[in-house]
Amino acid sequence: EIVLTQSPATLSLSPGERATLSCRASQSISSYLAWYQQKPGQAPRLLIYDASNRAAGIPARFSGSGSGTDFTLTISSLEPEDFAVYYCQQRGNWPPVTFGQGTKVEIK
Amino acid sequence: QVQLVESGGGLVKPGGSLRLSCAASGFTFNDYYMTWIRQAPGKGLEWVSYISSSGGTIYYADSVKGRFTISRDNVKNSLSLQMNNLRAEDTAVYYCARDRNEIVPTSTFDYWGQGTLVTVSS
Repeated sequence: EIVLTQSPATLSLSPGERATLSCRASQSISSYLAWYQQKPGQAPRLLIYDASNRAAGIPARFSGSGSGTDFTLTISSLEPEDFAVYYCQQRGNWPPVTFGQGTKVEIK
Repeated sequence: QVQLVESGGGLVKPGGSLRLSCAASGFTFNDYYMTWIRQAPGKGLEWVSYISSSGGTIYYADSVKGRFTISRDNVKNSLSLQMNNLRAEDTAVYYCARDRNEIVPTSTFDYWGQGTLVTVSS
């Protein structure tokens, strides 16, 4: 089973700042990585699939990069609605599909 | 618009059973693989089970294999999860979710229901 490790666990930033979230896979998953955003009491929302493709309706300030074992989600300029928990998810070697433990982006 | 609505959650004793349902609308249900994903209170996401568009291919997480059964009714546009021999560690919000791509699965999930809470406690 592929383990995804996200860092940092918590990111404290102010609106307008750039957020950089990391996800590392325990073995190569090519570009088969997705990112989700989850707000309290809500279901996750797909942001990025296959490492760098924005899902429908996702603003351009969200971007993804990486391949192999190291991946990054970047939010270029944080909006108030972007403070949430972010999960990465791999489909490079499934089943099982696995998720990272999450990174919380909180207001500084 | 795409909608997924789960139901069937509740409080059940250890060893008990529960059946979750997910009603799908707004898309051609029988073209998509579907999945169940759960989230324990205050914890991260855990994939539970996956079913192909026809129902002919099914996968389970090791943690639920032999206890949970996924199924679908492509006439009624519904997905189900029969959960038997429930344990305290099965306590979670259970989400149904749709694969991002029709016909050819991607194991990436673009629409999720609002979730239904299952609590296993004596």
